[in-house]
Amino acid sequence: QVQLQESGPGLVKPSETLSLTCSVSGYSISSGYYWGWIRQPPGKGLEWIGSIYHSGSTHYNPSLESRVTISVDTSKNQFSLKLTSVVAADTAIYYCARVEGPWGQGTLVTVSS
Amino acid sequence: DIQMTQSPSTLSASVGDRVSITCRASQSVNSWLAWFQQKPGKAPKLLIYKTSTLESGVPSRFSGDGSGTEFTLTISSLQPDDFATYYCQQYNSYRFTFGPGTKVDIK
Repeated sequence: QVQLQESGPGLVKPSETLSLTCSVSGYSISSGYYWGWIRQPPGKGLEWIGSIYHSGSTHYNPSLESRVTISVDTSKNQFSLKLTSVVAADTAIYYCARVEGPWGQGTLVTVSS
Repeated sequence: DIQMTQSPSTLSASVGDRVSITCRASQSVNSWLAWFQQKPGKAPKLLIYKTSTLESGVPSRFSGDGSGTEFTLTISSLQPDDFATYYCQQYNSYRFTFGPGTKVDIK
């Protein structure tokens, strides 16, 4: 059974960098699929942040592209998200997912001083 | 980038009703379309992928159809557990995008 789990700080100060890691079990990232990050601000819809293939090929939401980096560590079977220069509007539940499922349970990240 | 729309934005229905939600893409996504169900405080749950393939464990009352730019999620007989928000997502282009969601509530 494929499972994904997000980890990282729940509180980030404005202008700093948000960093999250997604640990994958039950499936090797190297075997294929796109893996991605999605976020959901409180009370709002889903926003795709970006995706990475096991080869390292990445694709980002144009609205976030200047601030986002997604990377993969196949040796640890993990992929990561970095979002720089965060502001209050970046407060959201952040999910990691494999395209065509499954998703992690999500982690709330609050941007506040 | 491909934009996704959903209609209606809210749907009021009763247990036992047959309900349908439409998802439209600004350009063809072929069959690379998924549907998710989300309940308050929970992560989205994959229901259907590749337009019509039911995820393992999802009840058969859920079905998906369509191709190109227009897709439909149908619940054949609405159950109490189905009151939730539903999202479509295209993954044809490398820049995946979601629809704005359709809330199904009790009439």
